[in-house]
Amino acid sequence: EPEVTQTPSHQVTQMGQEVILRCVPISNHLYFYWYRQILGQKVEFLVSFYNNEISEKSEIFDDQFSVERPDGSNFTLKIRSTKLEDSAMYFCASSDVRASGSNSEQFFGPGTRLTVL
Amino acid sequence: AQTVTQSQPEMSVQEAETVTLSCTYDTSESDYYLFWYKQPPSRQMILVIRQEAYKQQNATENRFSVNFQKAAKSFSLKISDSQLGDAAMYFCATSGNTPLVFGKGTRLSVIA
Repeated sequence: EPEVTQTPSHQVTQMGQEVILRCVPISNHLYFYWYRQILGQKVEFLVSFYNNEISEKSEIFDDQFSVERPDGSNFTLKIRSTKLEDSAMYFCASSDVRASGSNSEQFFGPGTRLTVL
Repeated sequence: AQTVTQSQPEMSVQEAETVTLSCTYDTSESDYYLFWYKQPPSRQMILVIRQEAYKQQNATENRFSVNFQKAAKSFSLKISDSQLGDAAMYFCATSGNTPLVFGKGTRLSVIA
């Protein structure tokens, strides 16, 4: 069964460093998402991506964040200069249709745990 | 803006018994979907059940069913014949004109 994969499973970095979190969405999916879950809190939407551009983003997704689909399979989230409060679980998800008011399901990856020291 | 409220931070159930997890939501959308996701200790998000808001019939998936009360904006999850593997965080979520909006979750413990 196809699944969303994410690497690495755990990333430890120093404050101020750049990190890139990687995701491989399900191959025939067209919509891609990043969500964040700070430990003990709810899952929060960061950004959605379609047709090689950002389609929606939340207030959390400021200039420190960027997303990219560098090739036909990978979908990346870059944090330019990490802060302590960026420590969280980051989930990638994909869907075959737009996940807004339509009959779609977002498939989630296993997440990347980011720890900023 | 959409909001999702889960008023039960923790619940417990005896194995083989039935438990109901509560969820209320608020949305201005006329066309939206409601979801329950399960997050086991592995932290992966797994879709449990989905309900289309325009459907009056409550969704069911094996031991999982929902009680969808559209006028009350309530979407509770019932787990029947609870199993040890059901122990997890359960998140209620809705999607409308934005991607998923989640509640804070309910931690379910299953007692053998």
